Amino acid sequence: SQQGEEDPQALSIQEGENATMNCSYKTSINNLQWYRQNSGRGLVHLILIRSNEREKHSGRLRVTLDTSKKSSSLLITASRAADTASYFCATDEGTYKYIFGTGTRLKVLA
Amino acid sequence: GAVVSQHPSWVICKSGTSVKIECRSLDFQATTMFWYRQFPKQSLMLMATSNEGSKATYEQGVEKDKFLINHASLTLSTLTVTSAHPEDSSFYICSARDLVHVDQYFGAGTRLSVL
Repeated sequence: SQQGEEDPQALSIQEGENATMNCSYKTSINNLQWYRQNSGRGLVHLILIRSNEREKHSGRLRVTLDTSKKSSSLLITASRAADTASYFCATDEGTYKYIFGTGTRLKVLA
Repeated sequence: GAVVSQHPSWVICKSGTSVKIECRSLDFQATTMFWYRQFPKQSLMLMATSNEGSKATYEQGVEKDKFLINHASLTLSTLTVTSAHPEDSSFYICSARDLVHVDQYFGAGTRLSVL
């Protein structure tokens, strides 16, 4: 089963611009995580945000969580060509079994 | 940080053969591990939940006789793709749940190509 829907499915921006990706989910969660995946490679963990948190930062990354709307956003500021990748949110459905969203393919143009 | 090792990272096999993929938690104990499959340009789909010392729980639509899961210790789970066919070619990723810290960590994945 696939819980999360991500929006947009694909995003193309210029280097230096900000990129925002959104994730919506259906059931209550304990945690939500964001991952990056370069083409053909494994997952890279970006940020974990717990259900009692509203915002977290890590370097150029900012994640927000709105449990009332069952949605989260990932903001990448001052994007770089190296940020080109697919980004996935994953939610634990309240049972620590993580279900991944559909993903956003980000392309940052130099 | 916690590390999950997955082996092999890439395997090519002939149609009809079986392939075993290992998932190890290197510095923590994991009573629960998860197996995911990812087809090209798609997201990760949960296949099964692997519980140490008991039978795995499979997601709807996943053939348990096709994808054998064994979780014999707190640090090792294996996924065996039996009688592999070209349509089983995919990227398989495991994750392990840290018993103490209740966080989950992912392996780097195994790319399976069935000829």
